[in-house]
Amino acid sequence: SQELEQSPQSLIVQEGKNLTINCTSSKTLYGLYWYKQKYGEGLIFLMMLQKGGEEKSHEKITAKLDEKKQQSSLHITASQPSHAGIYLCGADISGNSGGSNYKLTFGKGTLLTVNP
Amino acid sequence: GAGVSQTPSNKVTEKGKYVELRCDPISGHTALYWYRQSLGQGPEFLIYFQGTGAADDSGLPNDRFFAVRPEGSVSTLKIQRTERGDSAVYLCASSPQTGFGEQYFGPGTRLTVT
Repeated sequence: SQELEQSPQSLIVQEGKNLTINCTSSKTLYGLYWYKQKYGEGLIFLMMLQKGGEEKSHEKITAKLDEKKQQSSLHITASQPSHAGIYLCGADISGNSGGSNYKLTFGKGTLLTVNP
Repeated sequence: GAGVSQTPSNKVTEKGKYVELRCDPISGHTALYWYRQSLGQGPEFLIYFQGTGAADDSGLPNDRFFAVRPEGSVSTLKIQRTERGDSAVYLCASSPQTGFGEQYFGPGTRLTVT
C-alpha cells in the first residue's frame, strides 16, 4: 500500500472555484512538503510544514498539517488556470525523528485541471 | 541565480547499454539528491549526497546503479546494462544544508530504454 495517499487522484474545477487536496500518511510525519509539477518539468516547491497544527499561506494557496491525524491538506481559493498541474506531497517517514528531512517519500500526485 | 540543471534532457538508449546522467546543483548547495519518477507515480528516492560522500544510497534499486559526486558539486548517475524497466524520469535536487528545508529540483532527464 502507498505510504502517502493523496486524494483525489484528479480534480477538474471551474475557474474561480475553491478546492482541497489531501495527503494522508501511514506513518508518523516529521514534516511535510507540497510541490507542484507541470507535465515534463521538475517539481516547484510550494510549502513546507514542520509542526503539528501549522498552517501556511502563499497567495491563494493554504496548507495545513495535522500531525495527530498524520494528514495534510492543500486548499486553493478562487482557482485560476495557472493553478493547473500535478500537486505532490512529500515527507520523510523513514523513522528518523532527529528532524532530518532528506529521504522524501512522495504521494502519487493529484492532477488538477482548471477550466476557464 | 541559476537553478538545478540536468543533462541530457532526454536520453534514448538500447537495452544493455551504459548511460550517464548529469546533475549540476545550485552553487553552494552541499546536499544533493537523486530521485526516479515513473509515469503516474511520485518521485522515488534513490541516493543522497552530503558533500562528496553518499550519505544514503538505500534507494538504489540494484548494483547496476551507481552515483558519484567527486568534487562535492556536479553529480553523475550511472546505469550499467540498462533494462526497459529503467525507463523513467530521473530527477536531481539540491538543498543548502543537510536534510533541512526544501529541496530544489531540476527539470529531470527522461530516459527511455528500447
